[in-house]
Order: sequence, then structure tokens, then C-alpha cells
Amino acid sequence: GNSVTQMEGPVTLSEEAFLTINCTYTATGYPSLFWYVQYPGEGLQLLLKATKADDKGSNKGFEATYRKETTSFHLEKGSVQVSDSAVYFCALSERNFGNEKLTFGTGTRLTIIP
Amino acid sequence: DTGVSQDPRHKITKRGQNVTFRCDPISEHNRLYWYRQTLGQGPEFLTYFQNEAQLEKSRLLSDRFSAERPKGSFSTLEIQRTEQGDSAMYLCASSLGGGDEQYFGPGTRLTVT
Repeated sequence: GNSVTQMEGPVTLSEEAFLTINCTYTATGYPSLFWYVQYPGEGLQLLLKATKADDKGSNKGFEATYRKETTSFHLEKGSVQVSDSAVYFCALSERNFGNEKLTFGTGTRLTIIP
Repeated sequence: DTGVSQDPRHKITKRGQNVTFRCDPISEHNRLYWYRQTLGQGPEFLTYFQNEAQLEKSRLLSDRFSAERPKGSFSTLEIQRTEQGDSAMYLCASSLGGGDEQYFGPGTRLTVT
């Protein structure tokens, strides 16, 4: 079955540091890949997505590239801010008769200190 | 706010009691999903509706769980004879159609004592 393996946290960085959160996946077909973010006290929000190999998703300074050869979708940001403190989830979906259910990783808690 | 809403936000119940949660998706979204998230884990898929039809159920959804989406609008998730292992955050998400973003509600946190 499908699965997502995510870098374990928690991760603590200083403001303006470079961020990488690793994500690898296992899928039977050609999934779409996502990063979701959960800010404190809020629901899950889509951060970025990529639907095919070599696509790059980007949003709010975050980027991730769909690497089919390494089955990876690592999240990066060049200069993090305190407001980026949140839990980040890598996820995939494969369409199955219209069902595009998401398979999530375990999440990585990120804390940015001023 | 026209996002996905869930009610209640928190529910504490005693083991063996029945509970029901409600999800109101974004209007005109024909796809609705339920997920369960336990502490320290990512959400896990429970079930999926396209309009009023329940098209897939996870093996996580035991016989004590039932979900409905009458008229293809709001959905309810009922858990009968709750167990302590049912304690989790229950998330609802909706999407417009194929390839579209799933929008998540704030979740219902269930605590079974």
C-alpha cells in the first residue's frame, strides 16, 4: 500500500536559518504529492503541491520538488521566520474511482526561535 | 466564514456511550472525507463520499462506526459503544472535484474516559 515517511521532529531553528524537512514515499502508481501545515490552534491547510515528476510546488517561500527517481518530496525554505512555527505534514494521493484520499506522514513539528 | 465546519469541537464521553459528529462542507463541494488523527500521528483516512454515496471505507472503520451524508450536503459520523482507543481528533475535509484541494475543518476532539 501507499505510505509516507517523514523526517522526525521536533525541529528547532533560529530565525533566518535554512530549512529542510525530508519526505519520501511509497506508492503503487503515480501519486500527487502535498505538504500540509497546521498552525497552532488551526486546522490543516494546504501549503503546496506537485502532481507529476519534476514539478516544483511553491508557496510562502517554501518549495518542494517531486523527485520520482528518489521517491522524495523534501520541503525547503531559505530563511525561516517565527511565524513558520507549525506542524508540517507530507502527504500523497492517488485517484481510485474518484477517491483521492490522502495518505499522510507522521508530521514534523517546527519551532523557530527569534 | 464559508469554510468546512465541524460540530462539536470537543466531546468527552464515557466508555460505552454513543457519539455523533457533524461536518458541514463548503457548499457545492461534492466530495467529503473523514480522517482520524491520533496524538503524534498524521491523519488517517476513514471514509469518502461523493455526493450522498459512500464509496469507500477504510479497514479502520469498524462496525461500530457509521457515516452518512443525506442529500449530499452535511455528513455525520457516529461511533457506537465508544472505547478508549477511539479517543482522537476526527477531521472532515471537502473538495470540489478531481484534482482539487481538500479543505479541512477544525476537527472534533473526542476523549473517551
